[in-house]
Amino acid sequence: AQTVTQSQPEMSVQEAETVTLSCTYDTSESDYYLFWYKQPPSRQMILVIRQEAYKQQNATENRFSVNFQKAAKSFSLKISDSQLGDAAMYFCAYRSPYNNNDMRFGAGTRLTVKP
Amino acid sequence: AAGVIQSPRHLIKEKRETATLKCYPIPRHDTVYWYQQGPGQDPQFLISFYEKMQSDKGSIPDRFSAQQFSDYHSELNMSSLELGDSALYFCASSFQSGRAGDTQYFGPGTRLTVL
Repeated sequence: AQTVTQSQPEMSVQEAETVTLSCTYDTSESDYYLFWYKQPPSRQMILVIRQEAYKQQNATENRFSVNFQKAAKSFSLKISDSQLGDAAMYFCAYRSPYNNNDMRFGAGTRLTVKP
Repeated sequence: AAGVIQSPRHLIKEKRETATLKCYPIPRHDTVYWYQQGPGQDPQFLISFYEKMQSDKGSIPDRFSAQQFSDYHSELNMSSLELGDSALYFCASSFQSGRAGDTQYFGPGTRLTVL
């Protein structure tokens, strides 16, 4: 079974600086999808970014980008020019295309942004 | 853009009572997922429906049942509630475009408190 590991329970960053959140996963599949979701204090789960494993190019969404290392099974999230509104719990998630509904989440990383 | 709607947003019940949570997916989305997120935990998959048929089952207790209706909305029915059922319940929806793995979009969640 696939597992997702986020080794950083908490991270902090100064406003306007850059922070990287780590995520590793374990799978025997060659094709899959990876996601980062953000959960602010409102508890809403908000999609941040999506990566398809068969695409070598790292996904980017404005200030958010990923470093996808397929061989190392690593999927880190980089947040540039951090803003106070980025403060949230960030979950890394893995989804198998072979099991339609098998989305596994990591334990989450709580990001604090300091003014 | 329209998002996933969940109702109610908050629900307080006594032990052994029943509860019904409702989810209205994004228009044209044909798949609905239910997740349970306990305090300080990552979301855990409960059950999903594709085109009104149950498509997969996760860690859903036998006391819970769910269905998807002809208008694609879904209801999660929870009976004989226990204190441990207190959690945030998310509904997510996606559109299956012929290849599993399309992004799940989450609703705001229903916070269930069992007293």
